[in-house]
Amino acid sequence: GNSVTQMEGPVTLSEEAFLTINCTYTATGYPSLFWYVQYPGEGLQLLLKATKADDKGSNKGFEATYRKETTSFHLEKGSVQVSDSAVYFCALSEGWYYGGATNKLIFGTGTLLAVQP
Amino acid sequence: NAGVTQTPKFQVLKTGQSMTLQCAQDMNHEYMSWYRQDPGMGLRLIHYSVGAGITDQGEVPNGYNVSRSTTEDFPLRLLSAAPSQTSVYFCASSDRGSNQPQHFGDGTRLSIL
Repeated sequence: GNSVTQMEGPVTLSEEAFLTINCTYTATGYPSLFWYVQYPGEGLQLLLKATKADDKGSNKGFEATYRKETTSFHLEKGSVQVSDSAVYFCALSEGWYYGGATNKLIFGTGTLLAVQP
Repeated sequence: NAGVTQTPKFQVLKTGQSMTLQCAQDMNHEYMSWYRQDPGMGLRLIHYSVGAGITDQGEVPNGYNVSRSTTEDFPLRLLSAAPSQTSVYFCASSDRGSNQPQHFGDGTRLSIL
């Protein structure tokens, strides 16, 4: 079945450091890929998405490129801030196949990012 | 815009009790779903609905019931609470289509004693 694997946390960085959180997936069909962010005590918010191979999603300085050849969707940011401290989830949504589509999300286990001043 | 509203935010139950977690959205979204979040396991899909009157099971449906009588509301019922159902529950909604992002509520933290 479809699945998402992301790097274990916590990831601890100093402010202005470069961030990479690895995400790989297994899927049949043509999934859309998402990064969601969860701040303490809150629900998940969409950070960025990519819906087809070679698409790059970007938002708030974060970027991720949909790489079909390596089945990856790694999250990157050039210079993190203390306010970026949160849990980051990689997820896939099963795409069109056999004439149907589904919004069901399959999540990775989440990566806690802690940014120190 | 309220978005997705979940009530209650916190609840403590005794084993065997039943309760309903409420979820309402004001975005006229067709698709709604319930997830549970447990440490080290990410979010797992419990039940989902593609429109009023249509529901289906997700990955972990046992012990939970849902119904969708209106577009706006999608309540989750625990029939007989068990300690294994201690978790944080999130409701989400979206437009139909696998490329549509889902909008999440703030969650219900449920403890079963």
